[in-house]
Amino acid sequence: DADVTQTPRNRITKTGKRIMLECSQTKGHDRMYWYRQDPGLGLRLIYYSFDVKDINKGEISDGYSVSRQAQAKFSLSLESAIPNQTALYFCATSDLGSGSWNEQFFGPGTRLTVL
Amino acid sequence: AQSVSQHNHHVILSEAASLELGCNYSYGGTVNLFWYVQYPGQHLQLLLKYFSGDPLVKGIKGFEAEFIKSKFSFNLRKPSVQWSDTAEYFCAVNGADKLIFGTGTRLQVFP
Repeated sequence: DADVTQTPRNRITKTGKRIMLECSQTKGHDRMYWYRQDPGLGLRLIYYSFDVKDINKGEISDGYSVSRQAQAKFSLSLESAIPNQTALYFCATSDLGSGSWNEQFFGPGTRLTVL
Repeated sequence: AQSVSQHNHHVILSEAASLELGCNYSYGGTVNLFWYVQYPGQHLQLLLKYFSGDPLVKGIKGFEAEFIKSKFSFNLRKPSVQWSDTAEYFCAVNGADKLIFGTGTRLQVFP
């Protein structure tokens, strides 16, 4: 009964390949986020979206793009993958209207390895 | 600039020891503060949160945190840790509609 799902869960690819990571949620939240996690660096925000027509860059958006296909779907693309994009990627959602301002709910993560 | 500092990068404890993980933040506005936990191989889960009111916040699994505004701190505590508390712990603060995370503290608890 996962509320936030990510596909694939693991992916190994080669330098220069295009990769898409997908995130879906059944929580009905408007806000969605993509983070990457690297050892010793914590979570860093790549992109975020407050609704279908609103996309914003995070602190490390270079080399990434996103698409908000619907309220429930937010995809992250690596147009031409490079080895330093090897990381654990998390999708998250939040709901401004719930009263729990900015509490975020995370998906299970996608482990991406770029060779 | 908004930031979160977690000074303890790696903590090793024996079961039943007390735990305190430090978190300091830098943010000029009204703060909402969070502690998330990531068990090995799993995603982040919310441990506790502070929005307003009582600065001593109680969370799940016996964890608590105290918001000290004058010190810009939100330290996480647990009186007696268990082996199952082995995980990575992240402090986070709201900042302009985004969460800013600290770099995390890895906790290892040995039986």
